[in-house]
Amino acid sequence: AQRVTQPEKLLSVFKGAPVELKCNYSYSGSPELFWYVQYSRQRLQLLLRHISRESIKGFTADLNKGETSFHLKKPFAQEEDSAMYYCALSRGSTLGRLYFGRGTQLTVWP
Amino acid sequence: DAGVIQSPRHEVTEMGQEVTLRCKPISGHDYLFWYRQTMMRGLELLIYFNNNVPIDDSGMPEDRFSAKMPNASFSTLKIQPSEPRDSAVYFCASSFSPGGPIGELFFGEGSRLTVL
Repeated sequence: AQRVTQPEKLLSVFKGAPVELKCNYSYSGSPELFWYVQYSRQRLQLLLRHISRESIKGFTADLNKGETSFHLKKPFAQEEDSAMYYCALSRGSTLGRLYFGRGTQLTVWP
Repeated sequence: DAGVIQSPRHEVTEMGQEVTLRCKPISGHDYLFWYRQTMMRGLELLIYFNNNVPIDDSGMPEDRFSAKMPNASFSTLKIQPSEPRDSAVYFCASSFSPGGPIGELFFGEGSRLTVL
């Protein structure tokens, strides 16, 4: 069975500090991993996906199959990064079906 | 496109009452999902449809919950009778495949339900 684990419910950093939101998964096949973000009073939206290997708003995430992790990182956090972040997994064969972690609330202090 | 539209945005009701949440997906999308969000459990998938057909309803908590998708532009999630533990934010999301990016869901703004 597939499972997505975000060990930190809450994470606080100061502006300008590096931030890393952890995500671990369990799945025997080849998953696709995503990060979704929900800013205050906004819709939940896609932030980035591992197959794109892109940097969005300064965030990057590398899929580590050996450690079954997909941690989200940013070298210098900004106050506007404060939001709820969800890691999600797709089995690929079931198009559109995502399994979400429980989310991490990131707060960036000024 | 206005995106996924959900109504009502907020609902306060008393235990035992029937609650109906509504969703209009993005035009052309062939998948529709209902999620429930709580502090304790995060985002839970309740049910999803493909081309109006329910594919997986294993996340529906119990018989008090039911969902329908009578056509490609409308879906409902009904709770009858409602209980305080149903209090949560209910999200509807839609996606398009094949052709669209796999796994990108477009979410509505959510319906915040409070059952007293």
